[in-house]
Amino acid sequence: DTGVSQDPRHKITKRGQNVTFRCDPISEHNRLYWYRQTLGQGPEFLTYFQNEAQLEKSRLLSDRFSAERPKGSFSTLEIQRTEQGDSAMYLCASSLGGLQTEAFFGQGTRLTVV
Amino acid sequence: GESVGLHLPTLSVQEGDNSIINCAYSNSASDYFIWYKQESGKGPQFIIDIRSNMDKRQGQRVTVLLNKTVKHLSLQIAATQPGDSAVYFCAVKASGNTPLVFGKGTRLSVIA
Repeated sequence: DTGVSQDPRHKITKRGQNVTFRCDPISEHNRLYWYRQTLGQGPEFLTYFQNEAQLEKSRLLSDRFSAERPKGSFSTLEIQRTEQGDSAMYLCASSLGGLQTEAFFGQGTRLTVV
Repeated sequence: GESVGLHLPTLSVQEGDNSIINCAYSNSASDYFIWYKQESGKGPQFIIDIRSNMDKRQGQRVTVLLNKTVKHLSLQIAATQPGDSAVYFCAVKASGNTPLVFGKGTRLSVIA
């Protein structure tokens, strides 16, 4: 399977704990995006990378959130001191880059904070 | 910034009928548009895209129409099948290095 891969698929954590999610994009794609989706809503943009450079961060991305893409391949999204409001589906997508190429999504990581 | 609106949150159609899902956007500088299909528990799946220099594009059983004058986008699904039941999102991108902005989605239910 050469699609976007996310791990884990599900994560249940206690409030206050840190969590880290991983995304492996399609191999030749140099752009990688993180989105968050809550029930009944469309995906909301969090941040994106062009190779290893983080080019844009949404205001939704509080100081507790950090994303990295150290070698321009896989990416991690870490949430520190999780809150119940962080419960959502975290989606990763990748694209070839350029201005108008389609983004392909992974299956997402569903986070539940209890 | 861009905002993407929804015309109907839900749509029910008979199997075999055609479906039309609508979307409106706010930013006249938007130049790239994608329709995604999302099934329960899965990530959005790319269906079809269109660039602002076109007003119509066809795929297999799907057609996307773009009306830049009124900033409106639609997805037409021909001969709707039970497997088409899902939530459909339009996503819009402005020119430059801007991310896709998604609407809230339309839930399509196909009645057998």
